[in-house]
Formats: sequence, structure tokens, C-alpha cells
Amino acid sequence: SQELEQSPQSLIVQEGKNLTINCTSSKTLYGLYWYKQKYGEGLIFLMMLQKGGEEKSHEKITAKLDEKKQQSSLHITASQPSHAGIYLCGADLIQGAQKLVFGQGTRLTINP
Amino acid sequence: GAVVSQHPSRVICKSGTSVKIECRSLDFQATTMFWYRQFPKQSLMLMATSNEGSKATYEQGVEKDKFLINHASLTLSTLTVTSAHPEDSSFYICSANRGPTYEQYFGPGTRLTVT
Repeated sequence: SQELEQSPQSLIVQEGKNLTINCTSSKTLYGLYWYKQKYGEGLIFLMMLQKGGEEKSHEKITAKLDEKKQQSSLHITASQPSHAGIYLCGADLIQGAQKLVFGQGTRLTINP
Repeated sequence: GAVVSQHPSRVICKSGTSVKIECRSLDFQATTMFWYRQFPKQSLMLMATSNEGSKATYEQGVEKDKFLINHASLTLSTLTVTSAHPEDSSFYICSANRGPTYEQYFGPGTRLTVT
């Protein structure tokens, strides 16, 4: 079973619409990282969350970590074609270990 | 943001040969570098963690004699796939960070095809 569950696995939205991707764990998330990947390429760092209740935004992307530090969400407002790609959440499940465990990824398609 | 490079980006080799992949942090010193493997349409799986000047720590199920990791300096780590077989064909990605409280920056990946 997956230690980090991402949902949905794939998402198709109309350009301009908002969307949310979730990342859930049964264990405490000591560090939660969101990355974007285009198929066959490396990962682009988006945001890092470490404190319960923390929320960060960059341009039209907002990421939150819940108070219990077991769930994170990534929200994109007014989606654009440039947002298309695979979104991965990664987490430190062991404090201080720096060993990231990744979710399965969410493939986002933006339709014009 | 920090930049991590990988070389080569693509490599095709024959079964039984060895392949070396380099990972460099270009604008920062990386205390730790990580090697991941990604199969098509799957997520990343951590293979090993390497610290400069010490032996790499391998994840369970990863053969250390097959995947040799050398972390020669604070900006360079290499992964050598020895006696490669077709099942070793995969996308290998490295990452690096400045320290334990910093995010990991990923390289662009290396696609290995073993024929």
C-alpha cells in the first residue's frame, strides 16, 4: 500500500477553472513538498510545508498542510495550459531522515 | 532556485556493460544527494542517500554492488549501474539539498535503456 495517497490520479479541467489535488498519509508529515514534473523530465520544486496549518502561495498555486500534519492540498486558481503536467507530493515520514516518499502523482490536463 | 544537473540525459548501452551517471549541484554545496528511480507512469522510488566522503545508504531491496554510488565532493555524486540488464532500463533522477531543513532540488533525470 502507498504511504502517501494522492487524489485524484488524473484530472482534466477546462482552462480558467479552479482545481484541488490532495495528498494524504496515515503518518505524520514532517516535511511536505509539492513538485511538478513533465513526462520524462526532472521535478520542479513548487513549495515546502513544515508546520501544521501552514499555507503558502506562489502565483496561482496555493498549498496547505492541515493542523494534524497528515494531509496537504494543492489548489490552482484560474488554471492555464502552462499548469498541465504531473504533480507529485513528497514527504519526510521520519523526522530528520531527509528521505522523501512520493505519492503516485496526479496527471493534470488543461483543456482550452 | 538551486540548480542540479545530470549527465548524460539519455544513454543506451548493451547488456552486461556499465554506465555512469553524474549528478552535480551547480550553484550550491550539497551536504546530501539522493538517487531515485522512476518507471513509466509511476512515482519516484528512493534508491540511496549519499553524503560526501562517506558510504551511501541504500534502501531495502536496492543492490549496492549493482548500483555503485560515489560522492566525491560537495557538488558531485555519481551512480554507476554495473553489468546492466534490460530490467535496469529506467529513468534515474538525482536530487540534492543544502541541509536537513532545506528542500531537495532535482536534476533533469537520465533515461537509461539497456538493449
